[in-house]
Amino acid sequence: SAVISQKPSRDICQRGTSLTIQCQVDSQVTMMFWYRQQPGQSLTLIATANQGSEATYESGFVIDKFPISRPNLTFSTLTVSNMSPEDSSIYLCSAQRDRGYEQYFGPGTRLTVT
Amino acid sequence: GESVGLHLPTLSVQEGDNSIINCAYSNSASDYFIWYKQESGKGPQFIIDIRSNMDKRQGQRVTVLLNKTVKHLSLQIAATQPGDSAVYFCAETHNSGNTPLVFGKGTRLSVIA
Repeated sequence: SAVISQKPSRDICQRGTSLTIQCQVDSQVTMMFWYRQQPGQSLTLIATANQGSEATYESGFVIDKFPISRPNLTFSTLTVSNMSPEDSSIYLCSAQRDRGYEQYFGPGTRLTVT
Repeated sequence: GESVGLHLPTLSVQEGDNSIINCAYSNSASDYFIWYKQESGKGPQFIIDIRSNMDKRQGQRVTVLLNKTVKHLSLQIAATQPGDSAVYFCAETHNSGNTPLVFGKGTRLSVIA
């Protein structure tokens, strides 16, 4: 399995500002993902973080709003840009050792936008 | 489009009884399935997985059953304990895991002591 940590664990931000969330995995992994989870709801994939190239975004998510970096095989960041209250959610980082293997999750970052 | 859903949004079970959580999926190409447990304030925790070449897989106190004919997945928890109280999600993917997971809506399991 992989142990995944995220920073910050929670934050309260003002409208119009940006927040960068960090994700660190304790071992090298092929795949890293970012999800959003509204309170009491399921997980929605934002994008796949690709090492050495641009992230692959799902429908409804764009790079200008959610820029992602993946500089190496153990680390990724997600930025939530120009935040609005609608961005209040839990953001989860996930990692997969290789395609077709178990996918593990970090503890999440709880974001509140006022 | 693809969807993964659940028959029961909430489930209350007496401590010591067995729990069964169900999940339906719509993509007949789905070939890899995972069950996750999410406790309040935490990220989803991997429980057990199953590939489409199997119809049953057992772990410690948990069993996953896969019925590809009716596109149905279930998670059975034996001798349910208070620590099993959580939200359970099924997730599916296809192309042998080379596509991102699609998550179901989740079932909240409450264990009555």
